[in-house]
Amino acid sequence: AQKITQTQPGMFVQEKEAVTLDCTYDTSDPSYGLFWYKQPSSGEMIFLIYQGSYDQQNATEGRYSLNFQKARKSANLVISASQLGDSAMYFCAMRDRLGAGGTSYGKLTFGQGTILTVHP
Amino acid sequence: ETGVTQSPTHLIKTRGQQVTLRCSSQSGHNTVSWYQQALGQGPQFIFQYYREEENGRGNFPPRFSGLQFPNYSSELNVNALELDDSALYLCASSVRQSMNTEAFFGQGTRLTVV
Repeated sequence: AQKITQTQPGMFVQEKEAVTLDCTYDTSDPSYGLFWYKQPSSGEMIFLIYQGSYDQQNATEGRYSLNFQKARKSANLVISASQLGDSAMYFCAMRDRLGAGGTSYGKLTFGQGTILTVHP
Repeated sequence: ETGVTQSPTHLIKTRGQQVTLRCSSQSGHNTVSWYQQALGQGPQFIFQYYREEENGRGNFPPRFSGLQFPNYSSELNVNALELDDSALYLCASSVRQSMNTEAFFGQGTRLTVV
């Protein structure tokens, strides 16, 4: 079964510093997509960054980068130059096939999340 | 803003009652998924609809059911509400069902069962 593990319930970082949020995953399917979402207290999930299982390079989106280590099945999120507005819950998620051998991708499997607090 | 809207934003129901939650997908999106997020947990996949047909379901009992309409808006129905159904319900729409498809989430409906 597909599984996402986020081992850091909470993280603290000083404003303008970088922080790494850990994520490991487990799947037997060679084709999958990995996502990071930010969830502020308002509840909406905000897409941050995507990494495909066949992508050769680590994904980057502005201040966000993904440290993808396929052999270790890890997909850590790095936030550079933290801002006060980055304080939120962060979720790692994996999208995989709806059924064995299928061509449609559906559900996102989420980790437990990491609460990030940025201090001034 | 993602263009995905959910209604209502908050709801209080009594155990045993039935509830309908609504989701309006982003224009052009033919796939909608529903998730249940208990307090302090990650979202759990309930089911997915593609062009009005359910094509994927998580570990939820049959009293959780849904519909997708021709305009791709969607409903989540929960019968015989239990206290454990109290959660944030999130709807997500996407334009297709490929591996790299970004899902756009609504702001959620917070359901409290008393």
